[in-house]
Amino acid sequence: EAGVTQFPSHSVIEKGQTVTLRCDPISGHDNLYWYRRVMGKEIKFLLHFVKESKQDESGMPNNRFLAERTGGTYSTLKVQPAELEDSGVYFCASSTGTRNSPLHFGNGTRLTVT
Amino acid sequence: AQSVAQPEDQVNVAEGNPLTVKCTYSVSGNPYLFWYVQYPNRGLQFLLKYITGDNLVKGSYGFEAEFNKSQTSFHLKKPSALVSDSALYFCATNTNAGKSTFGDGTTLTVKP
Repeated sequence: EAGVTQFPSHSVIEKGQTVTLRCDPISGHDNLYWYRRVMGKEIKFLLHFVKESKQDESGMPNNRFLAERTGGTYSTLKVQPAELEDSGVYFCASSTGTRNSPLHFGNGTRLTVT
Repeated sequence: AQSVAQPEDQVNVAEGNPLTVKCTYSVSGNPYLFWYVQYPNRGLQFLLKYITGDNLVKGSYGFEAEFNKSQTSFHLKKPSALVSDSALYFCATNTNAGKSTFGDGTTLTVKP
C-alpha cells in the first residue's frame, strides 16, 4: 500500500508570507493527524480529523493556522501569515483511529521562516 | 493528562553491545505504549507496541521492549546493536481517540 505522502518536503518563506502544506493519508484511513516538531523538541499534536470533521484541534497554536480536509481525503495546513516561531518540521500521520493502532507518518515538511 | 518521558537525550553504544533506550509514562488507566524510530529526513516508523499481555514485546529489526507497571517504564532494548540502528527514537502513548503523545526523543548512536 502507498504510505502517507507530504508535499513539499521543504519550504523556505519570509515572515508574513503564506504557506500551504499538503498531506495524502493512506487510502481508507479515516483518521488524519497533524503534528509539529520545533527546535528538536518533542513532537506536539496540532489537530485530528475523522474523515472531513475536526475531531480535536486543541493543539493549533493560534488562528494563523488553518487545516482542512475536504471530502475526507487529503488535508492541507495553511499558515498565514507565517512568523519566525512557526519554523519546524510538520508531520502528518494517518491511522484506523483505534487506541491500539500505530500512526503511519509521512516524511514531514521542513518549514523555515526567515 | 497523560505523558511520556525519555530521560536521555543521547545514548551511545558500541556495535555488538546491548542497548537500552529509556521511557517512563504517566497514564491514568491502562497504558497503550508505542516505540517509533526516525531516520534522517524520514517520517517516524512504528517499531512495537504494548497493549496488554506479556510484559516483553517484540518488534521490528530485532528490537524488544519491557513493560514494567511498578516502575511505570517501557524501555526499548536490543541484545546486539548495529551501526544501522543509529537514529532518533520516540516513545509514545495513545488516547482513546488514537491521538498520540510523544516523548522528546532519544538519539541513539552506535559506533563501530
